[in-house]
Amino acid sequence: QSALTQPASVSGSPGQSITISCTGASSDIPGSKSVSWYQQHPGKAPKLIFYDVSNRPSGVSSRFSVSLSGDTASLTISGLQPEDEADYYCLSYRSRPTLRYVFGTATRVTVL
Amino acid sequence: EVLLVESGGGLIQPGGSLRLSCAASGIAVSTNHMVWVRQSPGEGLEWVSALYSGGGKFSADSVVGRFSISRDNSRNTLYLQLNSLKVDDTAVYYCARVSGYYGPRSFPYYFDSWGQGTLVTVSS
Repeated sequence: QSALTQPASVSGSPGQSITISCTGASSDIPGSKSVSWYQQHPGKAPKLIFYDVSNRPSGVSSRFSVSLSGDTASLTISGLQPEDEADYYCLSYRSRPTLRYVFGTATRVTVL
Repeated sequence: EVLLVESGGGLIQPGGSLRLSCAASGIAVSTNHMVWVRQSPGEGLEWVSALYSGGGKFSADSVVGRFSISRDNSRNTLYLQLNSLKVDDTAVYYCARVSGYYGPRSFPYYFDSWGQGTLVTVSS
């Protein structure tokens, strides 16, 4: 069950914007936008930060945004803050031959 | 507030068995879709198994035939039975709720509440 492809690391200075790509994000259901994103700080459980292309859970900073182009989903963090330093994962699913969920390969974000 | 608390992890020899529990509060496991996700030391997240509210069960190829997901509605608890454990199964195991529309052309797809995880170490 191949993982979705993300860059291993992305870095930026405070205040800058960075983008994390997730290739292979489309499920095998045409038109589906069923991608979600997670933030994980060291030693902590993952936290949902975005789902679909327009849904940010309550309490998540508006500095996080998502776009989808073809088979690639992208997470953008604007106005990078020190607390954004963490690992980030995308998640999608495949429905054939049977349902399975597939995570991205993880991106370590470093705030310089 | 949704609270998920995993337990049951520990040190186990290869070939052994273990049962993990995920006690839920704030939601009913019987009416929610639930999953187990694991993370090996220094590695990324890996989906393990799912149990939908209607009873449908799905598992990753790596655990089919060895791991079994179930729930006890009266205890409001999700379980993961781990059999024939391998060294590669060493990981922190998280339970999570899955949300999203479930229909003829759509599956729930985002994991919106997570437990804190329980560590399973498989070693001789």
